[in-house]
Amino acid sequence: NAGVTQTPKFRVLKTGQSMTLLCAQDMNHEYMYWYRQDPGMGLRLIHYSVGEGTTAKGEVPDGYNVSRLKKQNFLLGLESAAPSQTSVYFCASSTRTPPNSPLHFGNGTRLTVT
Amino acid sequence: QQQVKQSPQSLIVQKGGISIINCAYENTAFDYFPWYQQFPGKGPALLIAIRPDVSEKKEGRFTISFNKSAKQFSLHIMDSQPGDSATYFCAAEYTGTYKYIFGTGTRLKVLA
Repeated sequence: NAGVTQTPKFRVLKTGQSMTLLCAQDMNHEYMYWYRQDPGMGLRLIHYSVGEGTTAKGEVPDGYNVSRLKKQNFLLGLESAAPSQTSVYFCASSTRTPPNSPLHFGNGTRLTVT
Repeated sequence: QQQVKQSPQSLIVQKGGISIINCAYENTAFDYFPWYQQFPGKGPALLIAIRPDVSEKKEGRFTISFNKSAKQFSLHIMDSQPGDSATYFCAAEYTGTYKYIFGTGTRLKVLA
């Protein structure tokens, strides 16, 4: 049982380039999330999804887009990367039942934008 | 604006000692307060959690204390071990939304 898998693990981009981060979960979870982790800032919610075909903005959505075409996948896109987007990105998922089910995180993608 | 304020930023404790990490929140729309533990190179993992109708929850060496009137909650690690060395995050969930806000994290180092 793989849980939450993030691809790729590392990536280096030049300013202005685009890329897509892939998150896949095999737990049949309804909810999926993208967070970024920066030193001294903790984990900040970028976008999240409460079901297939739905997405919503989190705390820091600017510069990112997401899509959830399939229940098991949640994609995070950067259309024009900026150095401020250098961070570690974590995907997480959770189930609707029981209430307050924990977040299950992947192991992150370390992105550097030069 | 940080909605969940966590302190200290870093903590060094001797083996066998008590580690205490504090969090405070302002938004009364939060109704679930988990703590996550993160080891280097890994994603955070749920450690222990509490709902505001309970003032304390204990699981092994880990205890959450919750003060609803003060809007504060804390994690106590008893008999701290070197294997507890990790980054700890408190979090809060907006009622019924499955949307979590995290604190800024505490890097704990337990000396052998």
